[in-house]
Amino acid sequence: NAGVTQTPKFQVLKTGQSMTLQCAQDMNHEYMSWYRQDPGMGLRLIHYSVGAGITDQGEVPNGYNVSRSTTEDFPLRLLSAAPSQTSVYFCASSYAGRAGANVLTFGAGSRLTVL
Amino acid sequence: AQTVTQSQPEMSVQEAETVTLSCTYDTSESNYYLFWYKQPPSRQMILVIRQEAYKQQNATENRFSVNFQKAAKSFSLKISDSQLGDTAMYFCAFLTSGSRLTFGEGTQLTVNP
Repeated sequence: NAGVTQTPKFQVLKTGQSMTLQCAQDMNHEYMSWYRQDPGMGLRLIHYSVGAGITDQGEVPNGYNVSRSTTEDFPLRLLSAAPSQTSVYFCASSYAGRAGANVLTFGAGSRLTVL
Repeated sequence: AQTVTQSQPEMSVQEAETVTLSCTYDTSESNYYLFWYKQPPSRQMILVIRQEAYKQQNATENRFSVNFQKAAKSFSLKISDSQLGDTAMYFCAFLTSGSRLTFGEGTQLTVNP
């Protein structure tokens, strides 16, 4: 089925470890983004990309790194995990163009716990 | 910066009744989009309804409708004939140019039988 696929769904890390959350979409969407969801704070934008080779920071980018080498993939890297990065992470994508004309498609989320 | 505020952390409603969830936002832009997303216990984010700011007519999707007050920067969601499956976290969201979606804190809605 077409959509946004995130892996892994669950992950436990120790402080200081690094890891990559994978995100892939098969809808040929130009726009891809990463959000984190924390209780009482809604979803906050970490990084986003409007096309291959183009990335930009969102609201809470510190401690995260992204790259966009292909249209399909947009991995999120945690360079040195901290307990404050314990959260649920969502990848979302859409067609680019007129803002708001294209609704975001979300992945199922990845729950990350940093001990 | 744009902000979105949902002042009701939790709400409950009896099955078949009507409930309204509140949302206010702040922006200096004149053309934008507003959304309500639903997140059931499965964690999947599901679009409920969308409103374009330049359209004066309130959006409606079956049992879901909005009351969009542009001057007051208010965007409330009305759920009619509430069903048990409507139990979820509801997020109001505001879209700026460049597809940067800003979310409110969320309202946990419980529909009681």
